[in-house]
Amino acid sequence: EPEVTQTPSHQVTQMGQEVILRCVPISNHLYFYWYRQILGQKVEFLVSFYNNEISEKSEIFDDQFSVERPDGSNFTLKIRSTKLEDSAMYFCASTIGNTQYFGPGTRLTVL
Amino acid sequence: DQQVKQNSPSLSVQEGRISILNCDYTNSMFDYFLWYKKYPAEGPTFLISISSIKDKNEDGRFTVFLNKSAKHLSLHIVPSQPGDSAVYFCAASEGGGADGLTFGKGTHLIIQP
Repeated sequence: EPEVTQTPSHQVTQMGQEVILRCVPISNHLYFYWYRQILGQKVEFLVSFYNNEISEKSEIFDDQFSVERPDGSNFTLKIRSTKLEDSAMYFCASTIGNTQYFGPGTRLTVL
Repeated sequence: DQQVKQNSPSLSVQEGRISILNCDYTNSMFDYFLWYKKYPAEGPTFLISISSIKDKNEDGRFTVFLNKSAKHLSLHIVPSQPGDSAVYFCAASEGGGADGLTFGKGTHLIIQP
């Protein structure tokens, strides 16, 4: 069964550094998403991406975040200058319709 | 602003019995609802969904009921099994496609032998 994959599973970085989180969505899916879950809190929507551009973004998705689909398979989330409060699980998801399928997540730890 | 609420942080059910997880929403624009199951250190796994044009959807042991007038949905698991122990998230969207999901805080279901 096709799955969304994410790398790395765990990323540790120093505050102020740039990080890139990578995702490979399910191959025939058209919509791609990033979510985050801060420890102990609910899963929060960050951004959706369709047809090589951002479709919708939340208030969390400020100028320090960017997304890109550099080739036909990868979908990336870049955080330009990480802050302590960016420490969270980041989930990628994809869909061809209404049901979003999630990857296993990347745990980002900012020190 | 909690648009999707799961008011029970945890629920304990005996193996073989019915588990009922509840979810309330406030945004009347939501028209598609999903339940996800999540284990620690894993991503949410899709379980079952329902469109606002229906009031019930069934898939094996899982049934989701939607009461639009009350803005309430519930997930029934019958019979409950030990492997069902996990955190269950209710999520909603305004139209699918590009719309992001709004999640509840989750309910930790514990199935006791």
